Amino acid sequence: EVQLVESGGGLIQPGGSLRLSCADSGSTVSNNYLIWVRQAPGKGLEWVSLLYTGNNNAHYIDSVKGRFTISRDASTNTFYLQMNSLRVEDTAIYYCTRDRGGWAALVGDWGQGTLVTVSS
Amino acid sequence: DIVMTQTPLSSPVTLGQPASISCRSSQSLVHSNGNTYLNWLQQRPGQPPRLLIYRVSYRFSGVPDRFSGSGAGTDFTLKISRVEAEDVGIYYCMQATQFPLTFGPGTKVDIK
Repeated sequence: EVQLVESGGGLIQPGGSLRLSCADSGSTVSNNYLIWVRQAPGKGLEWVSLLYTGNNNAHYIDSVKGRFTISRDASTNTFYLQMNSLRVEDTAIYYCTRDRGGWAALVGDWGQGTLVTVSS
Repeated sequence: DIVMTQTPLSSPVTLGQPASISCRSSQSLVHSNGNTYLNWLQQRPGQPPRLLIYRVSYRFSGVPDRFSGSGAGTDFTLKISRVEAEDVGIYYCMQATQFPLTFGPGTKVDIK
């Protein structure tokens, strides 16, 4: 069974840092697209970042460039989102998602999400 | 950035009746490789999103065949042939042709 499990969310003051983790117990291939998507309270979905493990290429939405970093630990099959200089507008549920068999089904598998609240 | 729009934003439907959601992109979603990367996702209340349709018309694993996708270029449609109670939720289109990846605003489907 495919399972992505996020952790690391919580309440943080503006300007602070958090690292989100996503433990991936379901991937059976060596190269994947690993993605973070967020959803502000009562709002729609917003793509945040993507990492292709085949060549370590990473992409970010403009609003998080220079503040967030996506990475992966292959030894533990866990990927991360390091979030620095957090802003109130970063408050959201953060979902990790992964492709199922390539770019076509880019967001095939999802975690349950972890809530990040940025507030003083 | 490619802007995704959806109509309607809210769709009350009768159980057993069909439902249809439209999605339009501000630019063609045809990739340079010839593929069109338009996805449809469902988010039931209190749940994470779930992939329903990828590459315009391919049903993802485990998705009932009452869901179908169609379209080309900039205009796409998700159809539910006969709405069931478990179909209540918000439906999003999403493009993966170009960075940044973008989603439509969502269409809320509920039962009349």
